[in-house]
Amino acid sequence: NAGVMQNPRHLVRRRGQEARLRCSPMKGHSHVYWYRQLPEEGLKFMVYLQKENIIDESGMPKERFSAEFPKEGPSILRIQQVVRGDSAAYFCASSQTGATQPQHFGDGTRLSIL
Amino acid sequence: AQSVTQLDSHVSVSEGTPVLLRCNYSSSYSPSLFWYVQHPNKGLQLLLKYTSAATLVKGINGFEAEFKKSETSFHLTKPSAHMSDAAEYFCVVSDGDAGGTSYGKLTFGQGTILTVHP
Repeated sequence: NAGVMQNPRHLVRRRGQEARLRCSPMKGHSHVYWYRQLPEEGLKFMVYLQKENIIDESGMPKERFSAEFPKEGPSILRIQQVVRGDSAAYFCASSQTGATQPQHFGDGTRLSIL
Repeated sequence: AQSVTQLDSHVSVSEGTPVLLRCNYSSSYSPSLFWYVQHPNKGLQLLLKYTSAATLVKGINGFEAEFKKSETSFHLTKPSAHMSDAAEYFCVVSDGDAGGTSYGKLTFGQGTILTVHP
């Protein structure tokens, strides 16, 4: 009965490198959400995906950030050419449907940029 | 548009005394409301949810919350605090449309850090 699995738990990158964060939703869940928690701030919505589709990316920065949820495999949040301001905790959540079902969260990936 | 305001950034109580964490929301239509708890370096755990059924919602670990539409509030309470309740708590809203469909996008409050003293 695995919950939402995120890896890696901690990721260190140097400025200009790429960061890839992975999220495997709970079994039976086909809706995935990514949130970012910056220091001293609450969680902010980034993107909502279903299999092979981006439903809502209104919270994604316009450049360098992308997300996918392929037919097979985990959802990936990709950050290109990372900068210091990308340092944050990134959380993935999943739900059975996109309606009133609660979202179940992973333990997050703590991204640190040197 | 939806928004959430948690009225206290920090709340400190003694073990065995009641807990009250305050939350006000703003939503265009019928919202779904949630409280999540986050322990240090962990993900968020769902405490309880309101989705237009009973206005008094009971959650895990003895927590409950009351939806008050007239006051646009969804305060979280617990009769007796335990040391293990020390954590950060988030009030969360998921907006919907006039037909009651929720899009699933969550808007979080800024969080309330609960400290429990022995």
